[in-house]
Amino acid sequence: AQKVTQAQTEISVVEKEDVTLDCVYETRDTTYYLFWYKQPPSGELVFLIRRNSFDEQNEISGRYSWNFQKSTSSFNFTITASQVVDSAVYFCALSEARVGASGTYKYIFGTGTRLKVLA
Amino acid sequence: DAGVTQSPTHLIKTRGQQVTLRCSPKSGHDTVSWYQQALGQGPQFIFQYYEEEERQRGNFPDRFSGHQFPNYSSELNVNALLLGDSALYLCASSHRGGNQPQHFGDGTRLSIL
Repeated sequence: AQKVTQAQTEISVVEKEDVTLDCVYETRDTTYYLFWYKQPPSGELVFLIRRNSFDEQNEISGRYSWNFQKSTSSFNFTITASQVVDSAVYFCALSEARVGASGTYKYIFGTGTRLKVLA
Repeated sequence: DAGVTQSPTHLIKTRGQQVTLRCSPKSGHDTVSWYQQALGQGPQFIFQYYEEEERQRGNFPDRFSGHQFPNYSSELNVNALLLGDSALYLCASSHRGGNQPQHFGDGTRLSIL
């Protein structure tokens, strides 16, 4: 079975603090993809990053960085020097390739972590 | 470049009624997925359409049905509404055949009284 666990329901930090959001996943597939999305109060899910199962390199994009470790089935997300605008719900998602002609994918989301950054 | 657009934004229905939600995919996308997001939860996959056919389905009853049109837009229909169907319904589009990230719309918030 495929599953994504985000154990942190809510995190509050003061502006400029660093914060790490945890994501642990379960899958039996060898080929899969991991994603992080941000959901502001407007509701739209904003794509942040995609990582495939063969690429364990960490990635940095501005204040955002991601740590992918297959050995622990984790894909953690760190925001450096957090800002009030980072306040949102963050979702980790797992996508597996469906074997078949269509080759389409579905996402399995975690329950999300609500991040509150206080000024 | 228009992103994913959904209509209506909000909808209020009563138990037993039927509802149709609409989605226009991002330009260049041909695959549409629908998700249900209950309050405080992550989105749950309902189904996915490509080439006007349902390609994958999540664990949702037959009351949930859909359609994709030749222009790739899609509808989600829910019959015999239950109180538990109250949720944010998200549409996502992508391009078939790869691990392209899905782009999401703002969603339709459905409230059942």
